Amino acid sequence: GESVGLHLPTLSVQEGDNSIINCAYSNSASDYFIWYKQESGKGPQFIIDIRSNMDKRQGQRVTVLLNKTVKHLSLQIAATQPGDSAVYFCAEIESGGGADGLTFGKGTHLIIQP
Amino acid sequence: DAGVIQSPRHEVTEMGQEVTLRCKPISGHDYLFWYRQTMMRGLELLIYFNNNVPIDDSGMPEDRFSAKMPNASFSTLKIQPSEPRDSAVYFCASSLGLGFPSWYTFGSGTRLTVV
Repeated sequence: GESVGLHLPTLSVQEGDNSIINCAYSNSASDYFIWYKQESGKGPQFIIDIRSNMDKRQGQRVTVLLNKTVKHLSLQIAATQPGDSAVYFCAEIESGGGADGLTFGKGTHLIIQP
Repeated sequence: DAGVIQSPRHEVTEMGQEVTLRCKPISGHDYLFWYRQTMMRGLELLIYFNNNVPIDDSGMPEDRFSAKMPNASFSTLKIQPSEPRDSAVYFCASSLGLGFPSWYTFGSGTRLTVV
């Protein structure tokens, strides 16, 4: 079936630097692409999403970029902090009656070095 | 709101035993999802309910798994008999609807270990 996947399993960055986490997707029919943060011992937490008709969306210290030409999604975190250490998942959803619910990628572990 | 509440947080059981995981969704959310998370397969959707009715159980691994939602505030995921390969973290999530990602809220999960 169609899937959402990640390029890198682990990303290590210095505190204060910017982080970029990448994701490839294959379902062109997805309406939303989403980034989740999962801290140890907790469930996934919604960070930001982007509709399929957009190419950029900004939140607080985070920016999501969508490139539909190459089916690529990225999450940029500005000025990373120790609290950003977590596993980050991309996900997609097809809200128009296709696949039900969220489909997740396998995750990237972001490690913040002091 | 206390969010989605799952119990127990941790469960260790012997192979062959019955295991029941519990979930209380956020009040007013019409959708409830059960996910399983493993290192090898990531987060997989097992089953979801709309207004207490199971809609899609195609992700349930096999007949040993069953899920119920007797009312809007409670759901169970049962494994009988359990096997070591069922060891995983099981998440429950609830949502106001299917189409808007920000509506989904996950519980803290139940870590199941079958020995």
